[in-house]
Amino acid sequence: GAVVSQHPSRVICKSGTSVKIECRSLDFQATTMFWYRQFPKQSLMLMATSNEGSKATYEQGVEKDKFLINHASLTLSTLTVTSAHPEDSSFYICSAHRGGGSGGELFFGEGSRLTVL
Amino acid sequence: DAKTTQPPSMDCAEGRAANLPCNHSTISGNEYVYWYRQIHSQGPQYIIHGLKNNETNEMASLIITEDRKSSTLILPHATLRDTAVYYCIVRGKAAGNKLTFGGGTRVLVKP
Repeated sequence: GAVVSQHPSRVICKSGTSVKIECRSLDFQATTMFWYRQFPKQSLMLMATSNEGSKATYEQGVEKDKFLINHASLTLSTLTVTSAHPEDSSFYICSAHRGGGSGGELFFGEGSRLTVL
Repeated sequence: DAKTTQPPSMDCAEGRAANLPCNHSTISGNEYVYWYRQIHSQGPQYIIHGLKNNETNEMASLIITEDRKSSTLILPHATLRDTAVYYCIVRGKAAGNKLTFGGGTRVLVKP
């Protein structure tokens, strides 16, 4: 099956610093990627839709200046959590859409666990 | 907003079939039914999807009612490794269509 890779899988940072998480589609091109956040014992919450070559579309209540998304190529989207605070600690997950033919599936990365001290 | 309703949890016996129901009474004509599962601390794993015909792959079978208002995911021989949260989601196939997660069903496979 299609592979989506995230890096880093775990990151610990100090409050006030910025953290970048990468999402790569390894064996297909993805014009659209999605970023989710998941708190313990909760479901995934969509944060934003990332489109290659254009600005991301953010869900209501998600601060675009805090969660910077860049989708510079068809295989890479990045999420930067700026000036991170402890309440930003969460499990961040990306997904990439593989379209064409009988496709239309969304494949997910392994997730990145962010801990802000 | 999630457009599906699933039971919050269910247990099943190892080796037996697990039948996971999902209601999606407001599904529109161009929306597919997708199933994903999430094992603890991992990203969701794609299982199967369908439009109106029943579908089967190496992981599971998807049975969609004729009116498409509900569906059932069948794991034919549940193993302990199938313990996970299973999400039923409706979504159009276009790239920009979002995948909105509801609460899912927490499945515990017991020996």
